[in-house]
Order: sequence, then C-alpha cells, then structure tokens
Amino acid sequence: KQEVTQIPAALSVPEGENLVLNCSFTDSAIYNLQWFRQDPGKGLTSLLLIQSSQREQTSGRLNASLDKSSGRSTLYIAASQPGDSATYLCAVRPTGANSKLTFGKGITLSVRP
Amino acid sequence: SQTIHQWPATLVQPVGSPLSLECTVEGTSNPNLYWYRQAAGRGLQLLFYSVGIGQISSEVPQNLSASRPQDRQFILSSKKLLLSDSGFYLCAWSVSGGTLTGELFFGEGSRLTVL
Repeated sequence: KQEVTQIPAALSVPEGENLVLNCSFTDSAIYNLQWFRQDPGKGLTSLLLIQSSQREQTSGRLNASLDKSSGRSTLYIAASQPGDSATYLCAVRPTGANSKLTFGKGITLSVRP
Repeated sequence: SQTIHQWPATLVQPVGSPLSLECTVEGTSNPNLYWYRQAAGRGLQLLFYSVGIGQISSEVPQNLSASRPQDRQFILSSKKLLLSDSGFYLCAWSVSGGTLTGELFFGEGSRLTVL
C-alpha cells in the first residue's frame, strides 16, 4: 500500500527566502505525482504534475523534482512571498489505468512579511 | 477553458436529514468525476468516482451515495446524515482518455456540518 509523507507539517519562513518542501512515498512504481496548493477553507489548486518519466517540472517560481528510486519529490519555491502562505499537498498515483491518487497530509507554509 | 462549480459552499444539517451536493464541470466532455472528503487532521479520502453517465464506483462503504445523471454533473447524496458525515467535500475532474491517470482539478469545496 502506497504511503505518502510530508514533513514537517508546518513551516514558517521570512519573505524572500528560497524554500524546499519535501514529499516521500513508499512505493516507487508510480505513474505520476501532483503538487497542490490549498488556501484555508478552499479547494485544491493544481500546481505541477510530473510524469514518472520526467525529473522535474517548472511553473514560474515553482520547481518540482521527482526521484522515483529514492521515493522523493521536492517542491522548490523561489523568493517566497506572503501570498505563498497556504497548505501544500503532494499526491502520488501508482501505475495502472485505474489507479487512484494517494495524498500526503500537507505542509502548512507561512511566509512572514 | 474548463471550470468546475460546486454548491452549496456551506451547509448545516441536523442528524437524520437528507443531503444533496452538486458539482458541474464546464468546457470539457466525458470527464472523469470524483468526490473526496477531507476531515480535519486527516488526508483526502476518495469516496466515489465516475468514468461516465450512470457509472459510479464506490471506494469506501458508508452512508453516502453518488449519481451522475448527465455527462458533466456529479451529485453526492445521503438519505439520513450521521454526525460522522461532517467534513469538507471536494468534487474533482480529470480528462478521461479511458484511464484515471490524468491531472486532477478540484472545485471550491462544500463544508458540511451535521448537528
């Protein structure tokens, strides 16, 4: 059974800092991995999707990497801003046409002005 | 572009009352549709998914049911709510293509409180 872990559960950083959010998973047989952002009381917003054949994906100040062999993905946020404050969740999809996403519990990020 | 709408945003219901949450997707055809529940301190739990009209798969046995009466409409229902049904319910969609492997897009969520 796939397990997805995100540690720490919460993180507070000063504005402008570059930061890395970690996601680890137990089964390396994955199809893809998706990073989401969730603001309080809101739905999830898709940030980046990495296919198993890819090593990284970039969108603006965000860069997500994938290392299947070690069961890890990282979300890099450059020059953090207070508006980046939110909960960031990663989700892993195992191989198989009808496989379902397994979500981590998320990292709550607070960027201090 | 594709959009997903979910309503109501907030709902307070007494125990034993019925429930109906609705979700519609615009700008795409034959999407895969999903209902998730997010409970405080816990991860997202997949409740139901649908690959087509009238096709519903249940992931977790519970007090809820789902229906897909139209291609882009997904409904979550209950005949009699329990206290344990309280939570944040999220509808989501992905491009079909015959599999469930596509990128997932979520609605804004519905907060249900059962008293």
